[in-house]
Amino acid sequence: QSVLTQAPSASGTPGQRVTISCSGTSSNIGRNPVNWYQQLPGSAPKLIIYSNNQRPSGVPDRFSGSTSGTSASLAISGLRSEDEADYHCAVWDDSLSGPVFGGGTQLTVL
Amino acid sequence: QVQLQESGPRLVKPSGTLSLTCRVSDGSLSGGDWCNWVRQSPEKGLEWIGEIYHNGMTNYNPSLKDRVTLSVDESNIQYSLQLRSVTAADTAVYYCARRRGYLAAYFNPWGQGLPVNVSS
Repeated sequence: QSVLTQAPSASGTPGQRVTISCSGTSSNIGRNPVNWYQQLPGSAPKLIIYSNNQRPSGVPDRFSGSTSGTSASLAISGLRSEDEADYHCAVWDDSLSGPVFGGGTQLTVL
Repeated sequence: QVQLQESGPRLVKPSGTLSLTCRVSDGSLSGGDWCNWVRQSPEKGLEWIGEIYHNGMTNYNPSLKDRVTLSVDESNIQYSLQLRSVTAADTAVYYCARRRGYLAAYFNPWGQGLPVNVSS
């Protein structure tokens, strides 16, 4: 089981807004910046949100991140079929002295 | 931007040693960059293995520390992972990735990943 908790699945219809949550503790999300990764089928994870709410160049502004206490959220607005993927949260954990990941949320676009 | 690619055997026998290499191209890992190894399996999801700085400094996941050794060659182009005494539980896709930042899980870019099966 992963250190960070994510729901195993989520779904939405095209154009809809969906939110994916990530729950942690005071030794990780409560202290350090959260990053989000998108993993398309058969591919490596790709950074889509860093430092809680920043987007790397090339990532659409439909993707946004936020944090509150020991939880983080990834929101995807204007859902598109190409957004169908697994989404993972990641953050540095002070107790581990290393990065930890969520179990991943599989997003289905209906 | 810099690219990373994993290579090595895709099949390892139980109790043997898994040895992988991560080659850096189109640049190099510079100051502040760590070469990280992360693996992914259906059972455990993404799991951090450890990281190495260009000067050889290392950090390991405590759960794997006794079995893992990371190294880097003098050119800072090839980074290596050795995982000893493997079992079926070590079957996974192994990724190398560049990590940047202090106390940050900022991994960019990732290698394409190498599936490794531990089986006799």
